[in-house]
Amino acid sequence: RKEVEQDPGPFNVPEGATVAFNCTYSNSASQSFFWYRQDCRKEPKLLMSVYSSGNEDGRFTAQLNRASQYISLLIRDSKLSDSATYLCVVNGIAGTYKYIFGTGTRLKVLA
Amino acid sequence: DVKVTQSSRYLVKRTGEKVFLECVQDMDHENMFWYRQDPGLGLRLIYFSYDVKMKEKGDIPEGYSVSREKKERFSLILESASTNQTSMYLCASNHLGGNTEAFFGQGTRLTVV
Repeated sequence: RKEVEQDPGPFNVPEGATVAFNCTYSNSASQSFFWYRQDCRKEPKLLMSVYSSGNEDGRFTAQLNRASQYISLLIRDSKLSDSATYLCVVNGIAGTYKYIFGTGTRLKVLA
Repeated sequence: DVKVTQSSRYLVKRTGEKVFLECVQDMDHENMFWYRQDPGLGLRLIYFSYDVKMKEKGDIPEGYSVSREKKERFSLILESASTNQTSMYLCASNHLGGNTEAFFGQGTRLTVV
């Protein structure tokens, strides 16, 4: 089983739609969780950290479910500019420095 | 503005050549990382370093080595380039600790012919 798994997509959604991605991780001792965004031919950039209590940033909401070992990202009112690949990232066991990346989920928002 | 700079955007090398990829960060970060990104495989960690002269193997270190002589610079070395090392190489850095944002360089697209 991969350490971090994501559905590769693509998710094709119309503008204004709500879309959700899930990501599962295998190591129950994982401590830190993130969503990164990667545009075509660009480097990944942090979208948001994922906290145990869940967090929201504008149209984006991230949730963590430790019991089921998954994190989610919800995008409301999708914009064309949201089209990108969304990478789930898990920082492994406390005290290590490895960021483990999922393979990413491609989102295409259609006009 | 924080910056991680990779020395080349595109590189074409011949099989068997020794290849150096350079990465410099200006944020005084302790940790530096080298990843490669391939379609369908995502980002895979090659090596990382948490201090000057310190290095640890990632998931796919075979065929690579690294050097960190100064805090701001982390070099990836392909000892004898092979065609299966054709890939996008991404350098990243962050502060020590488990919950800090990693900043990436713009990537180096390496083609080995």
